[in-house]
Amino acid sequence: EVQLVESGGGLQQPGGSLRLSCEGSGFTFSNYAMSWVRQAPGKGLEWVSHISGSGGIAFYADSVKGRFTVSRDNSKNTLQLQMTSLRPEDTAVYYCARYPGVKKGLGVWGRGTTVTVS
Amino acid sequence: AIQMTQSPSSLSASVGDRVTITCRASQGIRNDLGWYQQKPGKAPKLLISGASNLQDGVPSRFSGSGYGTDFTLTISSLQTEDFASYYCLQDNTYPWTFGQGTRVAIK
Repeated sequence: EVQLVESGGGLQQPGGSLRLSCEGSGFTFSNYAMSWVRQAPGKGLEWVSHISGSGGIAFYADSVKGRFTVSRDNSKNTLQLQMTSLRPEDTAVYYCARYPGVKKGLGVWGRGTTVTVS
Repeated sequence: AIQMTQSPSSLSASVGDRVTITCRASQGIRNDLGWYQQKPGKAPKLLISGASNLQDGVPSRFSGSGYGTDFTLTISSLQTEDFASYYCLQDNTYPWTFGQGTRVAIK
């Protein structure tokens, strides 16, 4: 079964750091680009970051650029999001999602991990 | 960044109704657009990719159309399980952007 499982969320003070992880299983992890998407309480979805299958190319939303860093370890089938200089507005459920390629959409999602900055 | 303007933000409809949700991009994105359904407390689910490609297992009452700047998600006959929030996402240009979402509620 294809699965993504996020971990690492929690409560952090403003200015602090957190590292989220996403473990993939049931597929060849390195064959897929991956994205992070977040959802603040009661709000819509916000795309956060994206990384290529090799890990060589990454993109960020303007709201997190310079503060968040996405990376991956294909030998461990894991995706990470290092979050620094956290702000209250970073409070959200963070989802990782799998991206097969252009026009294919984010087809597999994890259940999410909750980050609270307060 | 490309702005995705989704409308309406919410709607009330009855079982069996035809429902249409639109997304307009601030610049052309070809057909690099997906539609997602989200139920409360759950992760989003991809319904349609490439503006019109229905995902495996998604009921045929869902359909998508559009190219360039204007896109539409149609539910031909609303069912109870379709009451949820819907979002478009453009994956043409970074940063990717979602529409604001449409909440479909029971009338």
